[in-house]
Amino acid sequence: ETGVTQTPRHLVMGMTNKKSLKCEQHLGHNAMYWYKQSAKKPLELMFVYNFKEQTENNSVPSRFSPECPNSSHLFLHLHTLQPEDSALYLCASSQVAQGSYEQYFGPGTRLTVT
Amino acid sequence: KNQVEQSPQSLIILEGKNCTLQCNYTVSPFSNLRWYKQDTGRGPVSLTIMTFSENTKSNGRYTATLDADTKQSSLHITASQLSDSASYICVVSASGNNRLAFGKGNQVVVIP
Repeated sequence: ETGVTQTPRHLVMGMTNKKSLKCEQHLGHNAMYWYKQSAKKPLELMFVYNFKEQTENNSVPSRFSPECPNSSHLFLHLHTLQPEDSALYLCASSQVAQGSYEQYFGPGTRLTVT
Repeated sequence: KNQVEQSPQSLIILEGKNCTLQCNYTVSPFSNLRWYKQDTGRGPVSLTIMTFSENTKSNGRYTATLDADTKQSSLHITASQLSDSASYICVVSASGNNRLAFGKGNQVVVIP
């Protein structure tokens, strides 16, 4: 495996379900990110982890709960989501959490909340 | 108002033709600007990165320009191919700030 991988690629869940998105990077990076991508809107940064520590939470509702057990893995735990949470969720990584370093993106998880 | 504005929102071009995408930004102080290509169902992939002192940078058939004075960038696609059909996203980074500013993207469709 190379680059940034995400599972599952597609997820359909009801508003009362609990699910988790997984991201793994094989680039030796120290920073990882969660983004939300909705149609006709710019990417929205959700969370940033740098050396396993959360350094940014962009006012994300508590129904989204991130977890970063080590620098290579990042999870996004989902519970009691709303239909407007349906979107493409992208994970990214970079050498460190600094704007001058390129972010490498995974393929995303297409989430549909019914 | 978004700090990065891209135009046109979408365009359709014939295979083999050229096209130019525009990006205007208000991010300050400026650090760098990247153009990403995002294929349908995929994550964005970086095409070029430009810093303050760079005016032009090429990556194969893709050529990016930057005018830091007017805060404008363009991405020129030469001799378009069907595989160029994608969304092209302009991303600007500010100095001393971890946050990136993303444009909404230019949706390009290349038809035979």
